[in-house]
Amino acid sequence: DGGITQSPKYLFRKEGQNVTLSCEQNLNHDAMYWYRQDPGQGLRLIYYSQIVNDFQKGDIAEGYSVSREKKESFPLTVTSAQKNPTAFYLCASSRRTASSYNEQFFGPGTRLTVL
Amino acid sequence: GNSVTQMEGPVTLSEEAFLTINCTYTATGYPSLFWYVQYPGEGLQLLLKATKADDKGSNKGFEATYRKETTSFHLEKGSVQVSDSAVYFCALLPNTGNQFYFGTGTSLTVIP
Repeated sequence: DGGITQSPKYLFRKEGQNVTLSCEQNLNHDAMYWYRQDPGQGLRLIYYSQIVNDFQKGDIAEGYSVSREKKESFPLTVTSAQKNPTAFYLCASSRRTASSYNEQFFGPGTRLTVL
Repeated sequence: GNSVTQMEGPVTLSEEAFLTINCTYTATGYPSLFWYVQYPGEGLQLLLKATKADDKGSNKGFEATYRKETTSFHLEKGSVQVSDSAVYFCALLPNTGNQFYFGTGTSLTVIP
């Protein structure tokens, strides 16, 4: 089955540590995205990537970093510079069309808690 | 610029009641419009979409019509079930863009 996987589902981190969240897709989608969701709030875009080896900052990129070395993979690193990293993190992907993109498909999410 | 505004929640309905969740948008050109649903602790799932004016998206008894004259894409269902309890997000994709714009989400609880 095609889809997006995120791991782990739950992640605990001590303050001052970097942590990397995994996102893999086998949909052959060009674009991949990372969102942050806080309780009772909508989605905020952290980073997105349209092609391999290229990515752009979203609305709240500070304290985060990404890489896109393979089409299928778009890992997100939450660094110690992120002041309030406890949140639910969602990865998404979409296929490019001639002029735009199709709908986004989402992974199941990773809940990060800083202890 | 591009933005989506959806009605504030939470919404609580009795089973078999009629549901409307309002969504209006601001966009240049002719965006595509979407409704996503999120169940507790899960990612978002696409519920329905419409890509041009007057299109009606439908799925699992839910419907929404792309109204360009009122810049709206309201979600409706004639008879809700307990299993419809979730958070619903309206979203738009500009016709030449690569970035989605999401509303803040509307929480729906259906009680037996």
